[in-house]
Amino acid sequence: QSALTQPASVSGSPGQSITISCTGTSSDVGTYNLVSWYQQHPGKAPKVMIYEGSKRPSGVSNRFSGSKSGNTASLTISGLQAEDEADYYCCAYAGTSTPWVFGGGTKLTVL
Amino acid sequence: EVQLVESGGVIVQPGDSLGLSCAASGFTFDDYAMHWIRQAPGKGLEWVSLITWDGTSTYYADSVQGRFTISRDNSKNSLYLQMNSLRTEDTAFYYCAKHPGDYWGQGTLVTVSS
Repeated sequence: QSALTQPASVSGSPGQSITISCTGTSSDVGTYNLVSWYQQHPGKAPKVMIYEGSKRPSGVSNRFSGSKSGNTASLTISGLQAEDEADYYCCAYAGTSTPWVFGGGTKLTVL
Repeated sequence: EVQLVESGGVIVQPGDSLGLSCAASGFTFDDYAMHWIRQAPGKGLEWVSLITWDGTSTYYADSVQGRFTISRDNSKNSLYLQMNSLRTEDTAFYYCAKHPGDYWGQGTLVTVSS
């Protein structure tokens, strides 16, 4: 069982917006604004989409945004495109005992 | 351009030892903590280990505590993972990543099989 809880799957149609949630605890997501999100296409390495809660690496589309409320972080993808279909993982800093904890992953299907 | 390039992944037998390397470039390596993360085939991501910028503190997942050792050589801009007493469940792609998670490598595959 993963430390962070993500929905197993979400879906949306091209052009729509979707949100993937990532629920942790007051010891990780709730305390530190150090949540990152990764996109992974089949057979490929994870790609960083969001880090430190809401920052986008250079080259990542501004259709991807990150936010947090309490113990839940969220990844929102606006203007869905077929190429967004992938697995998405969240990761949170959880202090020095277990620095990083991951969610179990969410499969995004673009209908 | 930031680059992290892992190497060292091979096929080994249970009980064997193996060392992985991660060559870093494009940033001031000794300013940042570094992580190893792994992903078993068809499974999710699992954090493995962290080393502080100066190498003085290290942290491990319970699943590898006592068997894996993380280290770094800031003069060579390199990160390492020494893996001993390997088990079949250690089979995975191993990725190095820069803290706070803004850059990852492409991974190297370790297969533990008899």
